[in-house]
Amino acid sequence: IAGITQAPTSQILAAGRRMTLRCTQDMRHNAMYWYRQDLGLGLRLIHYSNTAGTTGKGEVPDGYSVSRANTDDFPLTLASAVPSQTSVYFCASSRRDSTDTQYFGPGTRLTVL
Amino acid sequence: GQNIDQPTEMTATEGAIVQINCTYQTSGFNGLFWYQQHAGEAPTFLSYNVLDGLEEKGRFSSFLSRSKGYSYLLLKELQMKDSASYLCAVSDSNYQLIWGAGTKLIIKP
Repeated sequence: IAGITQAPTSQILAAGRRMTLRCTQDMRHNAMYWYRQDLGLGLRLIHYSNTAGTTGKGEVPDGYSVSRANTDDFPLTLASAVPSQTSVYFCASSRRDSTDTQYFGPGTRLTVL
Repeated sequence: GQNIDQPTEMTATEGAIVQINCTYQTSGFNGLFWYQQHAGEAPTFLSYNVLDGLEEKGRFSSFLSRSKGYSYLLLKELQMKDSASYLCAVSDSNYQLIWGAGTKLIIKP
């Protein structure tokens, strides 16, 4: 692995289903982030983690949960997907906090029907 | 509320110079970033300004005025590959990044 990876690349999901988006980084970065990107709205922070074992809520956390059991992995779970969660999801990491450069994964395109 | 404003779209000619402006109103300021995002791809880092003034990096330069809540990204000698969206983001008092909606730059031959 080189950098930050996400899986799946894309997914079509029925409303009401549970879904976990995976994110893994090999840069030993302390901070990790989940964003959603919708046309015309820019990137919006869903959840973040400043270090393993801690998480925090961003601008749009409702309907999403995260965990940070170790430094490398930061999965995002949609407990019961709704159509408004149709979006492109980006995971990112930075060495320490948001004053450091964030490195982004390739994104997951999620469609909820 | 917190707000980042950028033009939605700009058009420029190959070989020319273009300036993309960003104004911000945030609770606190811990630095301003510019990222480039090609269509269908992830954002990639271009520049970071925390002090007033101009930072130059090859064909790209970024300027910051904290007193005016203003930044610009200057792209020189435009190439077709510079066609992309340019995202302005500010690190606020909680050390969270607040993102603008991005400026789509179209380069014409």
